[in-house]
Amino acid sequence: DQQVKQNSPSLSVQEGRISILNCDYTNSMFDYFLWYKKYPAEGPTFLISISSIKDKNEDGRFTVFLNKSAKHLSLHIVPSQPGDSAVYFCAAVPTSGTYKYIFGTGTRLKVLA
Amino acid sequence: EAGVAQSPRYKIIEKRQSVAFWCNPISGHATLYWYQQILGQGPKLLIQFQNNGVVDDSQLPKDRFSAERLKGVDSTLKIQPAKLEDSAVYLCASGPGLAADTQYFGPGTRLTVL
Repeated sequence: DQQVKQNSPSLSVQEGRISILNCDYTNSMFDYFLWYKKYPAEGPTFLISISSIKDKNEDGRFTVFLNKSAKHLSLHIVPSQPGDSAVYFCAAVPTSGTYKYIFGTGTRLKVLA
Repeated sequence: EAGVAQSPRYKIIEKRQSVAFWCNPISGHATLYWYQQILGQGPKLLIQFQNNGVVDDSQLPKDRFSAERLKGVDSTLKIQPAKLEDSAVYLCASGPGLAADTQYFGPGTRLTVL
């Protein structure tokens, strides 16, 4: 039972263009969401998060959008840079109980120079 | 500030052998997590500690996996005996407290079971 889904296993984007990574969830109890970036042979590193009381959060080139009614979030990277090439995971957290992170399967982003 | 440390980075064993992984969290972090990441999947939580107590071990295969966090700092994860399907990257993460705070991940241990 995959509660957090990233339906695009990979994405290629030209340098300077926008990258849009998508994530869907099924559990309405999730109300905090995070994006992590992972380079090969390294652990995931935190990128940006959003609480369900917001629909948008911005940090530099990274913006996360949350559509609660559609149970959908997206990460926008503008402009994309070759150093952004990595695997991106979304994670969902129910802010009650143990705050367990439920991760998606990841999207491999390749930014072409 | 030093990050989460894990060792070893790589381990190759034969099935039915035992293996142990070590994690040293960020200093002062009360919460420690062990995740299993199978190739092509996202990290899956195995066990979560708050200080030296277990908060969630609902997805830990307790017939073969065990974990401890002595003195609320370092932690070890053990697999005994290993199966082929245990081949994965084992990630340790730590966080400041029991909340939706950011978790900080170590580099992971890649386990191959032959």
